[in-house]
Amino acid sequence: DAGVIQSPRHEVTEMGQEVTLRCKPISGHDYLFWYRQTMMRGLELLIYFNNNVPIDDSGMPEDRFSAKMPNASFSTLKIQPSEPRDSAVYFCASSALRWANYNEQFFGPGTRLTVL
Amino acid sequence: SQKIEQNSEALNIQEGKTATLTCNYTNYSPAYLQWYRQDPGRGPVFLLLIRENEKEKRKERLKVTFDTTLKQSLFHITASQPADSATYLCALPIRRGNTPLVFGKGTRLSVIA
Repeated sequence: DAGVIQSPRHEVTEMGQEVTLRCKPISGHDYLFWYRQTMMRGLELLIYFNNNVPIDDSGMPEDRFSAKMPNASFSTLKIQPSEPRDSAVYFCASSALRWANYNEQFFGPGTRLTVL
Repeated sequence: SQKIEQNSEALNIQEGKTATLTCNYTNYSPAYLQWYRQDPGRGPVFLLLIRENEKEKRKERLKVTFDTTLKQSLFHITASQPADSATYLCALPIRRGNTPLVFGKGTRLSVIA
């Protein structure tokens, strides 16, 4: 398996533009997580899905952020409109609910977002 | 909800020495605790998991301890090598039960040859 795939790897945009980040989880994993990482705040959970259904989006900072998972192999995180304070590295991770693994998470390479 | 503190942002040690990283948590004692490694420009990678009824877990040169009384986990790398230089994150469930993880901010380890 190729692991978790994220695109784009880097995104530079101007304030006010719409940004869409994409994620393909590991096949067979039924949990998908979106995180944001900054030096100040570390790795923060934004939202997670179980079997394509959003379970907890309490980490989404504002209504400008939205996430979807239309099927088991694809998810998007959208920011509209983007602001400079959204600049961060965004990670997608997936995991399978197996008792022996206790929710070990597999992370993608991340998308580095810069909003000018 | 759970909060995590990792003792220092950065740790420098000489090659061959043992590196010890600390993870402290507040509130309830989790059913398990995990450690991840993150290299620059990459996502975290899972290293070890230790359950609440395990005092110690080993994997090659890595050793993790879990003290539920102190609410602390220690992560040791013995015979450290420059290739061990990375940021190490601890993580544990936000709440009891099957819940997402909350991550510490990490400790950046530099092993100097």
